Amino acid sequence: NAGVTQTPKFRVLKTGQSMTLLCAQDMNHEYMYWYRQDPGMGLRLIHYSVGEGTTAKGEVPDGYNVSRLKKQNFLLGLESAAPSQTSVYFCASMAGGSQETQYFGPGTRLLVL
Amino acid sequence: GQSLEQPSEVTAVEGAIVQINCTYQTSGFYGLSWYQQHDGGAPTFLSYNALDGLEETGRFSSFLSRSDSYGYLLLQELQMKDSASYFCAVRRNRDDKIIFGKGTRLHILP
Repeated sequence: NAGVTQTPKFRVLKTGQSMTLLCAQDMNHEYMYWYRQDPGMGLRLIHYSVGEGTTAKGEVPDGYNVSRLKKQNFLLGLESAAPSQTSVYFCASMAGGSQETQYFGPGTRLLVL
Repeated sequence: GQSLEQPSEVTAVEGAIVQINCTYQTSGFYGLSWYQQHDGGAPTFLSYNALDGLEETGRFSSFLSRSDSYGYLLLQELQMKDSASYFCAVRRNRDDKIIFGKGTRLHILP
């Protein structure tokens, strides 16, 4: 079991470029979440999904889009990157129901110049 | 709004006991979770309280009081490896949105 994996681990973008971050889990979890973490800000929810084919907005969704076409994958897209999107991005999955444990991926460090 | 408040930093001595508090302003949630994050690492799950009261897992315990909108994480027999950030979090039951506190940085002195 790989758990939750994230691709890439690190990326540098220029302002205006686009990219997609991939999150994959092999635990057959229903719920998947994308967070960003900035110094002193904790983890802020960007978008999330409660099942294949569903997505919902979190606290800070602007500038991001997501898709959950397959249960095991949750993609986070930046259409036109801005320096304010420089952050560490974490993906997490959770079984759902009465299970509250989130399993986090190792993170993606993104620098937008 | 919905928010969880934690102290930004706590300092304790190796071998001692420390309590990290979390107060929240949210309604309709499943329970209170706690996560640990070491520098450069990903958050890892520590504990969860669905009901009021104390949950114990080894050296770590967590408490919830819904009537007081308050919870805490208790770490006993502190070890240097416990130096990390600790986050409380809730999942809202009306939309499954998860909200995290800003985290408490725990410093442990030898």
